[in-house]
Order: sequence, then C-alpha cells, then structure tokens
Amino acid sequence: EIVMTQSPATLSVSPGERATLSCRASQSVSSNLAWYQQKPGQAPRLLIYGASTRATGFPARFSGSGSGTEFTLTISGLQSEDFAVYYCQQYNNWPLEFGQGTKVEIK
Amino acid sequence: QVQLVESGGGVVQPGGSLRLSCAASGFTFNSYGMFWVRQAPGKGLEWVTFIRFDGSDEYYADSVKGRFTISRDNSKNTLYLQMNSLRTEDTAVYYCAKCLITVFGVVIYGMDVWGQGTTVTVSS
Repeated sequence: EIVMTQSPATLSVSPGERATLSCRASQSVSSNLAWYQQKPGQAPRLLIYGASTRATGFPARFSGSGSGTEFTLTISGLQSEDFAVYYCQQYNNWPLEFGQGTKVEIK
Repeated sequence: QVQLVESGGGVVQPGGSLRLSCAASGFTFNSYGMFWVRQAPGKGLEWVTFIRFDGSDEYYADSVKGRFTISRDNSKNTLYLQMNSLRTEDTAVYYCAKCLITVFGVVIYGMDVWGQGTTVTVSS
C-alpha cells in the first residue's frame, strides 16, 4: 500500500496570492497522480491528472508538477472560488490511495 | 450531459446490508470503468472499489474486501455496490465516479465525473 501525505493540512492565503500544496508518496508513483478540488457540500472535481495535465474546466492558474514521490499543486492568484479542500490521489498501484487533503482558506 | 445519480442510501444497523445503485447517462457506460469512493463525516476521501468496463475485473480496498461487492449491468447503464456485514465505520457519503479515458485513449485510474453521493449511516 502506498501512503500519500499532503502538507500542510491547512493553508491560509490572501486572495490574489499564490498557494503551494505538497503531496508526497511513500514510494514512486511515476506521474500517475491526480488532484481533486472539493467545496463544502459538493462532490470532488478532477483538477489535474498525469501530475500536470489540467482537467476540463479549470483555468491556467492551476498547475501541477512533480514525479516519483514529490508533487506540487500551485494556484497562482487565488480567486474566491478557489478556497476549498484539495486532495491528491495515486493511481500507479492498487489499492488507489488519496492523501488526507489540504484545506485552502481565506487569510 | 454526463451524469451519475446514486440512490439506495439509508440507515442500517450494524451487521446489516444495503445495496447502492448508480444510474449513468450521457456517455457510453459500457466503455468505462467505474469506481465507488466514500467520505466519512468530516473526513477525507477513501477509494472503495473499481470495476472494469466489461465487469471482467474488480479491485477492493482492504477495509471492505469480503464484505462489499461491486457489479454493473451495462444493459441498464447502472452500477451497484452490495454492502454486507456493515460496521459503524462504514458510515459515509458514497460516491460513484467514472474512470477517465484521455482523448488519446489512455485509461487513467482517476475519477473525472462524480455523482452527488448517497448517505449511508450504520447505527444501532
């Protein structure tokens, strides 16, 4: 089983600033990593797959990077609608595993 | 449009059973693998199970192996989750989700479409 660890648990950011979220895998998952955004009371939405490919509907201010065991989600110029919880998920091996999430909140 | 609608949630006693359904529309259901993912109250996401597009293979999280069974009826565009021997720790919102296939035909075991979820509460 691959353990996914996200940091920080909570990130306080002012609108317009940059947010940098980290996701670490306990062993290599190559580039088989996805990011999801979840707002309160809503289902998650796929944000990034293949570590760096943006899913349909998300603007260019969202970017993903990394491979192997270290991954980063960067949100440049945070907008009000970006405040949410973000999860990473590895799909390199079964069982699939999610990180515990990072809450991006308004500072 | 592409849509997934779950149903079948409710309150059940520990040791009981429940069957969830997920009705799919707006895409060629029999071409896509499907997932169940759950989220306990105030907690993060937990992958539960996956079934291939044709039902030929299934994968389960250790936490549900031997108790839960995923299945699908491609003639009815419907995904199922049979949950037996339910425990209090199975209390969660259960989402069905569709597996991503890229424009290049690559299968990505990520979830690109989600239902709204159905709530399962296991309590005496």
